[in-house]
Amino acid sequence: EIVLTQSPATLSLSPGERATLSCRASQSIRTSLVWYQQKPGQAPRLLIYDASNRAAGIPARFSGSGSGTDFTLTITSLEPEDFAVYYCQQRANWPPLTFGGGTRVEIK
Amino acid sequence: EVQLLESGGGLARPGGSLRLSCAAPGFIFSKYAMNWVRQAPGKGLEWVSSISATGLSRYYGESVKGRFTISRDNSKNMVYLQMNSLRAEDTALYYCARDRSLTVPNSGVFDIWGQGTMVTVSS
Repeated sequence: EIVLTQSPATLSLSPGERATLSCRASQSIRTSLVWYQQKPGQAPRLLIYDASNRAAGIPARFSGSGSGTDFTLTITSLEPEDFAVYYCQQRANWPPLTFGGGTRVEIK
Repeated sequence: EVQLLESGGGLARPGGSLRLSCAAPGFIFSKYAMNWVRQAPGKGLEWVSSISATGLSRYYGESVKGRFTISRDNSKNMVYLQMNSLRAEDTALYYCARDRSLTVPNSGVFDIWGQGTMVTVSS
């Protein structure tokens, strides 16, 4: 099973700042990495697939990068609606599909 | 509008059963693989099960294998999760999610999610 480790667990930032979230895989997953956003009381929302492809309707301030074992989700300038929990998920070698533990982006 | 509507959650006793349903109006259901993902209270996401568009291929997480069964009825635009031998650790919000791809069977990318149905296993 591929284990995904997200860091940091919590990121405290102000609106307008840049957010950089990390996801590390226990073995190479090429670019088979997905990012989701989840706000309190809501279902997850697809942001990025295949490491760097934005899903439909996702603003350009969200970008993904990386390959192999190290991946990054960047939010260039945080909007108030971006404060949420972000999960990475691998689809390279499944079953099982696995998720990271999440990074909470909170208002500083 | 593309949406997923889960139902069937509730309180079950340890060792009991529940059947979750997910209605999928608003898109050509028979062309998409479907999935269940759960989230225990205050915890992260856990993949539970996936089924191909035709229903011929089914996949399960280790924690539910042998106890849960995923199925679908393409004539009714429905996907189901039969949950048997329930345990306290199955307590979670269960989400139904659509696979994004029309060309890759079970791509593992989930583009549409329902709002979830809560399952509580307790004596």
